Amino acid sequence: QKEVEQDPGPLSVPEGAIVSLNCTYSNSAFQYFMWYRQYSRKGPELLMYTYSSGNKEDGRFTAQVDKSSKYISLFIRDSQPSDSATYLCAMGNTGFQKLVFGTGTRLLVSP
Amino acid sequence: DGGITQSPKYLFRKEGQNVTLSCEQNLNHDAMYWYRQDPGQGLRLIYYSQIVNDFQKGDIAEGYSVSREKKESFPLTVTSAQKNPTAFYLCASSIDADTQYFGPGTRLTVL
Repeated sequence: QKEVEQDPGPLSVPEGAIVSLNCTYSNSAFQYFMWYRQYSRKGPELLMYTYSSGNKEDGRFTAQVDKSSKYISLFIRDSQPSDSATYLCAMGNTGFQKLVFGTGTRLLVSP
Repeated sequence: DGGITQSPKYLFRKEGQNVTLSCEQNLNHDAMYWYRQDPGQGLRLIYYSQIVNDFQKGDIAEGYSVSREKKESFPLTVTSAQKNPTAFYLCASSIDADTQYFGPGTRLTVL
């Protein structure tokens, strides 16, 4: 079993839809959680960072962490064609130098 | 403009050649990382460095070498011992143990 599981997609939605992207993980020691957005042939861009459990909102993006279920989510409201990209989750331990990444979910938002 | 730069953007290698990928950052970050990205496999850590003149092997270090002589620079050499080097290589840096920021990547192709 992989340490972090992420559905590769692609996930296709119409413009304006609410998008839900998810990752599950097995290591209960993970304390911080991130979402990155990666456009084709570009480096990943940090979108959201969350420490421990709870929600964090930034504009159209909301990150949720449920440590009891070992499940994290990224919600995108009013999705736009420019949101079409691959979304990577990443997580790690406090003081730990190595992040563990999901394989990424490809999102396609059609006009 | 602060950020991470990688060069070249595209690199072609012949069998038996060593090639060096450049990574420079002006963010004053202590830690730097090299990842390899292959389709369907996510990001895999090659090497990381927490401080100048010190670096550690990641999960797939065989066939690669690095140096960290300056805080802002962390070059990666792909040696002829790396049997399957064709991939997208990403450099990242961080000021603390968690949040990592990525460069634009170098796509290496073996001819």
